[in-house]
Amino acid sequence: DAGVIQSPRHEVTEMGQEVTLRCKPISGHNSLFWYRQTMMRGLELLIYFNNNVPIDDSGMPEDRFSAKMPNASFSTLKIQPSEPRDSAVYFCASSLGSGPYNSPLHFGNGTRLTVT
Amino acid sequence: GENVEQHPSTLSVQEGDSAVIKCTYSDSASNYFPWYKQELGKRPQLIIDIRSNVGEKKDQRIAVTLNKTAKHFSLHITETQPEDSAVYFCAALDPNTGNQFYFGTGTSLTVIP
Repeated sequence: DAGVIQSPRHEVTEMGQEVTLRCKPISGHNSLFWYRQTMMRGLELLIYFNNNVPIDDSGMPEDRFSAKMPNASFSTLKIQPSEPRDSAVYFCASSLGSGPYNSPLHFGNGTRLTVT
Repeated sequence: GENVEQHPSTLSVQEGDSAVIKCTYSDSASNYFPWYKQELGKRPQLIIDIRSNVGEKKDQRIAVTLNKTAKHFSLHITETQPEDSAVYFCAALDPNTGNQFYFGTGTSLTVIP
């Protein structure tokens, strides 16, 4: 398996522009998570989906952030308009979800976002 | 919800010595605890995990112990090597959702050659 695939790896954009981050989870995994990582705040859970349905989006910082999962193999995280304080590494992760055997998270390689 | 605390935030050891990182959790119903290693510029990767039905688990130079009564678990790395230098995160699975994880704040381990 190729693991969790994220694109792009790096994104540099100007303040005010729209940014779209993409994620393909591991095939067969039914839970998908978006995290943001910064030096100051560590790993923050933004939102997670279970069977393509958003379960908890309480970590989404503002209305500028939105996430979708139109099918089991694709998710997007969009920031519109972007601001310099959104600069961070954004990780997507997937897991088998709840069940009799607990499943760890598998992280993608992340997208390093820089907003100037 | 679950609260996970991790100590120390930074740790330096001489090559060959042991390193221990400790985490506590608040929800006694939590039953699954993975550990992740994140090298500089890379993604967090699972290195070992433990379920609440066991007290200890080993994988070569890495071991994890769990004390359910005290609600703490620890990562032990023996015979440390420079390539062990990284940030280590502990996590606890939310027993209410069964698929959401709460992470510690990370320990930056430096192994001095």
